[in-house]
Amino acid sequence: NAGVTQTPKFQVLKTGQSMTLQCAQDMNHEYMSWYRQDPGMGLRLIHYSVGAGITDQGEVPNGYNVSRSTTEDFPLRLLSAAPSQTSVYFCASSRRTGTGELFFGEGSRLTVL
Amino acid sequence: SQQGEEDPQALSIQEGENATMNCSYKTSINNLQWYRQNSGRGLVHLILIRSNEREKHSGRLRVTLDTSKKSSSLLITASRAADTASYFCATDGNTGKLIFGQGTTLQVKP
Repeated sequence: NAGVTQTPKFQVLKTGQSMTLQCAQDMNHEYMSWYRQDPGMGLRLIHYSVGAGITDQGEVPNGYNVSRSTTEDFPLRLLSAAPSQTSVYFCASSRRTGTGELFFGEGSRLTVL
Repeated sequence: SQQGEEDPQALSIQEGENATMNCSYKTSINNLQWYRQNSGRGLVHLILIRSNEREKHSGRLRVTLDTSKKSSSLLITASRAADTASYFCATDGNTGKLIFGQGTTLQVKP
């Protein structure tokens, strides 16, 4: 089983560029989410989705967009990258709700110059 | 703001010793979870304890929950070098979403 797959694993952007971090899960999970992890800050929730067609904001949504057109995929878009968005991004899914066991991808390390 | 706060931030022990890390949180919860993160990897779920439970075991892991003190502890017995990782607590805080603490970094020396 692949579980939660994130691509790319590493990315370097220049300020102002846009990009999409991909996340796919093959467990038929309803709930999907994006976190960012920064040193000394733990994980902070960016956006989440409780099912296809439904998304909502987490703690730190500014500068990021998401969509959920299928159960399997939950891409995270950076429209105009800023150095403050340098971080490690994790996608996570859960069978039904956001408070159950989360299954994490391996992370995407993003550097914005 | 973080819902859960782990203590200590870092812990270094010898193989075979027990490791205890603590988590404090601010609001009422439905459940509390512990996760492990190996360096450069994603988080892996270890254990979930519900608000009406006081203690839970899984292999060498023992988790306690004291809702009156809004705190939890994770005990790893007979630590191994492979237990070297960061450990995070996460709470739902009645928000419908998991909020993570900053983590405890555990180093187990062979």
